[in-house]
Amino acid sequence: GAGVSQSPSNKVTEKGKDVELRCDPISGHTALYWYRQSLGQGLEFLIYFQGNSAPDKSGLPSDRFSAERTGGSVSTLTIQRTQQEDSAVYLCASTEQGGKGYTFGSGTRLTVV
Amino acid sequence: GQNIDQPTEMTATEGAIVQINCTYQTSGFNGLFWYQQHAGEAPTFLSYNVLDGLEEKGRFSSFLSRSKGYSYLLLKELQMKDSASYLCAVEHTGKLIFGQGTTLQVKP
Repeated sequence: GAGVSQSPSNKVTEKGKDVELRCDPISGHTALYWYRQSLGQGLEFLIYFQGNSAPDKSGLPSDRFSAERTGGSVSTLTIQRTQQEDSAVYLCASTEQGGKGYTFGSGTRLTVV
Repeated sequence: GQNIDQPTEMTATEGAIVQINCTYQTSGFNGLFWYQQHAGEAPTFLSYNVLDGLEEKGRFSSFLSRSKGYSYLLLKELQMKDSASYLCAVEHTGKLIFGQGTTLQVKP
């Protein structure tokens, strides 16, 4: 596609439920990143996929968070047993190999009630 | 550890020049980025510095000093639409580490 597409754009869920957030990167981009942005804060790194290499999961805040990338394209971020502190905007970005222009999607605004 | 510092808020007048500073202490460095983020929108790329010096792109310029762990973003001829958050980020081990961002308010 022309840009990084994320869905849903908004998600309200009850505490304790699981949620899945989807990211469709720019076609041909080999690197895909997930970030979290809490209200009024900067971007917090979560996880990074590069081609067929093992993902860099060093930013995942707990074992309730996981992500996968199928076929080197679409990625899904899963949050299990959601907590109120998980409420944030989850942003996905992609870039081509060796590229410096990270392109961000519009994000998914997650609200846990 | 990684530490990237920016001022939280700045205010400037339309038509003026503003400089947003960023200092960093990171265990590695592969380049420094500036992004602009309007409220409720995705961050958009502004500039990239990997060597010391000034990079100019229209009304926006970015400076880097690797020895000092310091960068700034210079915005000239400010317009009301420049009101946004400006995010400084260091690339390290293949990913961007962001500062907290500087919210710039441009007043008439």
